[in-house]
Amino acid sequence: ELKVEQNPLFLSMQEGKNYTIYCNYSTTSDRLYWYRQDPGKSLESLFVLLSNGAVKQEGRLMASLDTKARLSTLHITAAVHDLSATYFCAMSMEYGNKLVFGAGTILRVKS
Amino acid sequence: DAMVIQNPRYQVTQFGKPVTLSCSQTLNHNVMYWYQQKSSQAPKLLFHYYDKDFNNEADTPDNFQSRRPNTSFCFLDIRSPGLGDAAMYLCATSRDLYRLQDYEQYFGPGTRLTVT
Repeated sequence: ELKVEQNPLFLSMQEGKNYTIYCNYSTTSDRLYWYRQDPGKSLESLFVLLSNGAVKQEGRLMASLDTKARLSTLHITAAVHDLSATYFCAMSMEYGNKLVFGAGTILRVKS
Repeated sequence: DAMVIQNPRYQVTQFGKPVTLSCSQTLNHNVMYWYQQKSSQAPKLLFHYYDKDFNNEADTPDNFQSRRPNTSFCFLDIRSPGLGDAAMYLCATSRDLYRLQDYEQYFGPGTRLTVT
């Protein structure tokens, strides 16, 4: 059974600081996704990582995938308040493309 | 714009009173999914349709049913809602299931269900 673990679950950071969210998973899979969710809203797709060594960047966020270590990271550079949200990583199972989500990381960026 | 639409955005129902949530898509995707997300939890897949083929998750309660009358629409029926069914229900679509580039799921805005 695929398990996805995220840490930390809660992250409070100062504006301008850097930090990394970690996503570990239990079985081999080549599809990893990062989503953002604002309170009361749906999921917004941030990154799709499909191969070992994949690195994608959008603004202050950068995601990477290491399939050998079964690890993905979401790195935040010079955080700003607008990045405050819950971030989920998710992997999809081979059959049916079922998404299995990590527990989510609540990010609060303080001014 | 091609998109995934959910109606209503907010639904209040009484304990035990059947309720139907609606999802439509203009993406012409083959696969449609229903996820349940309870407060402060991650979304959890209930079931999905691949074209007309229905696939239920093993731990989805019998109280939850789904219908897909055509490519564009998919409905979630809760036959006898309990207080524990209060959640955000998210509909998602993906183009297909057989190529990596078709796997990405596109989420609708969600329906927040309250059970009184």
